[in-house]
Amino acid sequence: QSALTQPASVSGSPGQSITISCTGTSSDVGGYNYVSWYQQHPGKAPKLMIYEVSNRPSGVSNRFSGSKSGNTASLTISGLQAEDEADYYCSSYTSSSKGVFGTGTKVTVL
Amino acid sequence: EVQLVESGGGLVQPGGSLRLSCAASGFTFSDHYMDWVRQAPGKGLEWVGRTRNKANSYTTEYAASVKGRFTISRDDSKNSLYLQMNSLKTEDTAVYYCARAYCSGGSCYSHYYGMDVWGQGTTVTVSS
Repeated sequence: QSALTQPASVSGSPGQSITISCTGTSSDVGGYNYVSWYQQHPGKAPKLMIYEVSNRPSGVSNRFSGSKSGNTASLTISGLQAEDEADYYCSSYTSSSKGVFGTGTKVTVL
Repeated sequence: EVQLVESGGGLVQPGGSLRLSCAASGFTFSDHYMDWVRQAPGKGLEWVGRTRNKANSYTTEYAASVKGRFTISRDDSKNSLYLQMNSLKTEDTAVYYCARAYCSGGSCYSHYYGMDVWGQGTTVTVSS
């Protein structure tokens, strides 16, 4: 199972919106509505931000939203804040039932 | 407080073995699928494997990179998850996290809903 493809880095100014893409295949992202997104600050464990493509767990800011089109899922962060600077990973259900993460995206707040 | 605490990491020589443990507290452990995820130094997240819950026969899945060398098990009576690692390679060097499946609609399936509680991680270094 190959890793899902994410851009290495995305940046934006405070208050702006940014979007991180996550590209897979019809055997993972494109075939199921089970895409999750995680935020990871340096030296910390990942945090679940989005599940089932666009659902937010309790306590996650509504500035984070998810969507999907075809084989590509996206995470949008609106009203970018300094605390959003972190690494972000997508993950998807796969036809083999094995797990797979994206390659990771470093978000920089300018 | 909902919590996962890993232990058992350390330095091991190539070809050696190590057993990681993950102690759960503050939630009904037996309801949840549980996963192991690792992160090599300076690298991204890599899924290692998963154990399903009793209702799904405690079946397991493994990444191709560890299949045949690693074994995941759980003891619901002790609220504990384990990762037995054999034939270790230098490329297994990483921080290992245990993680709890998120629940949606009454089901706690990590491959559908992701993982919402993570341990602090335990470091495994494979080196001679």
